[in-house]
Amino acid sequence: DAGVIQSPRHEVTEMGQEVTLRCKPISGHDYLFWYRQTMMRGLELLIYFNNNVPIDDSGMPEDRFSAKMPNASFSTLKIQPSEPRDSAVYFCASTYVTGELFFGEGSRLTVL
Amino acid sequence: SQELEQSPQSLIVQEGKNLTINCTSSKTLYGLYWYKQKYGEGLIFLMMLQKGGEEKSHEKITAKLDEKKQQSSLHITASQPSHAGIYLCGADKRLEYGNKLVFGAGTILRVKS
Repeated sequence: DAGVIQSPRHEVTEMGQEVTLRCKPISGHDYLFWYRQTMMRGLELLIYFNNNVPIDDSGMPEDRFSAKMPNASFSTLKIQPSEPRDSAVYFCASTYVTGELFFGEGSRLTVL
Repeated sequence: SQELEQSPQSLIVQEGKNLTINCTSSKTLYGLYWYKQKYGEGLIFLMMLQKGGEEKSHEKITAKLDEKKQQSSLHITASQPSHAGIYLCGADKRLEYGNKLVFGAGTILRVKS
């Protein structure tokens, strides 16, 4: 299996632009998580899905952030409009039981 | 507030030395997980502990769960440069609608040759 696949690996954009991060979970996994990692706040859970349904989005910082999972093999995290404080590494992870998460390589976002 | 406190925040050890990283929870632990992260990469699962007093080992890394103290420790014996990275503990946070995995801030380990 190719593992969890995220794209893009690196994104540099200007404040105010829309950013879309993509994730392909491991086939057969029914949980998908989006995390954000920064030096200041560490690894934070933003939202997670079970069977494509958002279960807990309490970690989403504000309305500028939205996440979707239209099918079992694809999810997106969108930031609109982006701000410099959104700069971070965004990780997607999947699992079929909670606990042993399989992480993607991350998407490093820089908002200028 | 951080539900999982890791200590130390960072440490530098000489190759061959032993070291211990601690993870303390402010709430009851139902499951404790250890992950390792290389800078700029994703997290790699190391071990999962669920029962009080449980201890697991993988190569030179041993993790224990002291459920009564709501604490887990990760011990590395005879450290090597390959052990360098960020170690994160994670715990199941039980909610009405399911569980979610929350993480500590991480411990940065550097191993000097």
